[in-house]
Amino acid sequence: DARVTQTPRDKVTEMGQEVTMRCQPILGHNTVFWYRQTMMQGLELLAYFRNRAPLDDSGMPKDRFSAEMPDATLATLKIQPSEPRDSAVYFCASGFVSGRYNEQFFGPGTRLTVL
Amino acid sequence: QQQVKQSPQSLIVQKGGISIINCAYENTAFDYFPWYQQFPGKGPALLIAIRPDVSEKKEGRFTISFNKSAKQFSLHIMDSQPGDSATYFCAASIMDTGRRALTFGSGTRLQVQP
Repeated sequence: DARVTQTPRDKVTEMGQEVTMRCQPILGHNTVFWYRQTMMQGLELLAYFRNRAPLDDSGMPKDRFSAEMPDATLATLKIQPSEPRDSAVYFCASGFVSGRYNEQFFGPGTRLTVL
Repeated sequence: QQQVKQSPQSLIVQKGGISIINCAYENTAFDYFPWYQQFPGKGPALLIAIRPDVSEKKEGRFTISFNKSAKQFSLHIMDSQPGDSATYFCAASIMDTGRRALTFGSGTRLQVQP
């Protein structure tokens, strides 16, 4: 049963600390997305990668957020320094995006609380 | 700019009834319209999707109706069941460019009462 995995599932940290979230996409998928979900903003795109290359990170605050995909089995999202307004659920999604196909499979999310 | 507007915010339906959720979009370049279902503590999961070359798509109890001229699409859940209680998100993306990221609506919390 292939699925996207994310770690940690929950993270509580203090303002100013570095936070790293990890995602293992489904094997064979060529695209990885990072979304953030809050009550106020809903689901919003932060960044995405195609074949490990960053295609769009316009949704990310560049001064504190960074996203990387060091290999095909790992995507990371880092926040440094973290702020209370970063508190949200962060979802990683992967998919095989080609032609008419755009199904994205979401992981269970990382719930981040910044105190 | 909210590119995909979803309504209602919340919906209560009796078991066996029809649940209807509506979305309207602004960007005429959108050409892929999925619906995602999200249960508490879980990530969204694809429920059903449509492209604008058809006006309706049905999968089991779930139907998408699409009106290209009005730039609207809706999800109908027939014979709604308590297990359908979840938050539903419509979304849209552009298939013919490299940018396949989804733009989501604000979500509808559906409660099906037994």
